[in-house]
Amino acid sequence: LAKTTQPISMDSYEGQEVNITCSHNNIATNDYITWYQQFPSQGPRFIIQGYKTKVTNEVASLFIPADRKSSTLSLPRVSLSDTAVYYCLVHLPGGATNKLIFGTGTLLAVQP
Amino acid sequence: NAGVTQTPKFQVLKTGQSMTLQCAQDMNHNSMYWYRQDPGMGLRLIYYSASEGTTDKGEVPNGYNVSRLNKREFSLRLESAAPSQTSVYFCASRGGRERNYGYTFGSGTRLTVV
Repeated sequence: LAKTTQPISMDSYEGQEVNITCSHNNIATNDYITWYQQFPSQGPRFIIQGYKTKVTNEVASLFIPADRKSSTLSLPRVSLSDTAVYYCLVHLPGGATNKLIFGTGTLLAVQP
Repeated sequence: NAGVTQTPKFQVLKTGQSMTLQCAQDMNHNSMYWYRQDPGMGLRLIYYSASEGTTDKGEVPNGYNVSRLNKREFSLRLESAAPSQTSVYFCASRGGRERNYGYTFGSGTRLTVV
């Protein structure tokens, strides 16, 4: 199982770009990297997924270096509503026989 | 709306009572999961089901049982509730290329054991 390491918490202000880095030194060749967002009293929500280089969608960008041992979630111009816990996971696509383990995540606090 | 539905949303049990948490998904996903989340902590996997008819233990299976009733439904049972099982329980399903096999979570069941 690939284990991930993220900062426990980060602070930011509205309008700033926030980058959250996750390290996954034991990532396997076929593993994908997925990020989730969790608001209080809600289940986590899928944000973005990637395998290598850069992926961008309407919510965030995901940067993955060539060695794939880390990844960075980038949130452009955060607002108060982006205050949440962000989880990084690495896992195989498709098959569900692997046990997916969530770490403690990164608590992002956005201030006015 | 497509998604994962959990019932009940809230429950209070006395120590030793039993109950079943229900979960259903309508996305035709093969795999389903039960997680628990304690205050200030991440999610811990209790049990999962890779496909209909199969179940497997996760990180913290003790005190729980599960049933994959059919492809849609995956229930979690507490046979004899203990205060240590006070937590928020999330059901999730996973599958489908449309979301790159990402998880879809339910809204959670907040369980208190007194």
